[in-house]
Amino acid sequence: DQQVKQNSPSLSVQEGRISILNCDYTNSMFDYFLWYKKYPAEGPTFLISISSIKDKNEDGRFTVFLNKSAKHLSLHIVPSQPGDSAVYFCAASRALSGNTPLVFGKGTRLSVIA
Amino acid sequence: EADIYQTPRYLVIGTGKKITLECSQTMGHDKMYWYQQDPGMELHLIHYSYGVNSTEKGDLSSESTVSRIRTEHFPLTLESARPSHTSQYLCASSEYQGAGTGELFFGEGSRLTVL
Repeated sequence: DQQVKQNSPSLSVQEGRISILNCDYTNSMFDYFLWYKKYPAEGPTFLISISSIKDKNEDGRFTVFLNKSAKHLSLHIVPSQPGDSAVYFCAASRALSGNTPLVFGKGTRLSVIA
Repeated sequence: EADIYQTPRYLVIGTGKKITLECSQTMGHDKMYWYQQDPGMELHLIHYSYGVNSTEKGDLSSESTVSRIRTEHFPLTLESARPSHTSQYLCASSEYQGAGTGELFFGEGSRLTVL
């Protein structure tokens, strides 16, 4: 049973527009959420995170929103750039309530078109 | 910049061979992980370690084994490779998973093909 779901396998966005990547989770015990970016033939790199005590975290062009009641989070990239084209993985853990490894979604492939 | 290294990056071997995928990190992290990932699929945790002489199996059943004799080194071994083991193997480490963190640093991955 998948605990972290990214239901959109791919997304295409025009350069300069906003990219919105969505993630849903089923385990209400998750309290820490992260987004990773992965280029082909490379390992994932950490992008941004949010703990369950917040509903928004912003870092430059990247903002993550958390809706705990809906068990949903989203990553907003604005403005989108061609270099943002990659696979984005959502991940979750019980970092605050227990020491558990991260659980990842299947990823969403973002293509930013110039 | 993360300092975690995996070798080999690419490996093509025949069925029945024994292989070891190496992973080393120079950050002094206690926690290390092995994930397996196929294209279009999530990263599946296959093994993890929270310190020297500590290893645990992850969520995905795997025929591989790991060891953690030194903090910086976390090799993964397949005693007899099969085509079903063809995948990308990602090693990661973290300082800790407590309040306000949880970030994993990943290596570049080892892509294994078993013929």
